[in-house]
Amino acid sequence: EAQVTQNPRYLITVTGKKLTVTCSQNMNHEYMSWYRQDPGLGLRQIYYSMNVEVTDKGDVPEGYKVSRKEKRNFPLILESPSPNQTSLYFCASSLTGTGGEQYFGPGTRLTVT
Amino acid sequence: QQQVKQSPQSLIVQKGGISIINCAYENTAFDYFPWYQQFPGKGPALLIAIRPDVSEKKEGRFTISFNKSAKQFSLHIMDSQPGDSATYFCAAKDAGGTSYGKLTFGQGTILTVHP
Repeated sequence: EAQVTQNPRYLITVTGKKLTVTCSQNMNHEYMSWYRQDPGLGLRQIYYSMNVEVTDKGDVPEGYKVSRKEKRNFPLILESPSPNQTSLYFCASSLTGTGGEQYFGPGTRLTVT
Repeated sequence: QQQVKQSPQSLIVQKGGISIINCAYENTAFDYFPWYQQFPGKGPALLIAIRPDVSEKKEGRFTISFNKSAKQFSLHIMDSQPGDSATYFCAAKDAGGTSYGKLTFGQGTILTVHP
């Protein structure tokens, strides 16, 4: 089944404790992206990757890091989480950046206390 | 700076009614306008999309109307069903440049269809 998977689905952590949210797609997509969803703000792009070893900032990159060492994986790293990073996070992928549909993962609900 | 503005924030319709959600954008470089549907606990999923060279696209009960001069587009759900109850997001994608592949989303509309 073609899909985007994220782990963990739910995470509660404390301020300053480094964490990684994994994202993997099995569709051989070149383009991958991370979004955060907050009430009243819709989804906002954090980082994106056009292909292996090529990443760039989205609209809200502060406090986040990413890497793309393999085509299928695009982990999101929070080196020192803060309460304002409490949010619902989605990973998405598409065949290319100029293509149409982006496929979204199931989401990761992160709470930072 | 919200480049895509969506309204209303919430919408309640009766079964069989028409649901209408509106979006307005500012960036004339947008070249792809999708609507995503999101059920609780799930990621958004593409519902229907349009490119600016057409004024309307219909897929089943779902229709996008697009007004390029007014920089507005809307989603119409005909014969709304309780199963359509979800959050709907409009979005727009830039043709390229520094915003390669990025979807800019509206704020979302929570649709509730009463039986």
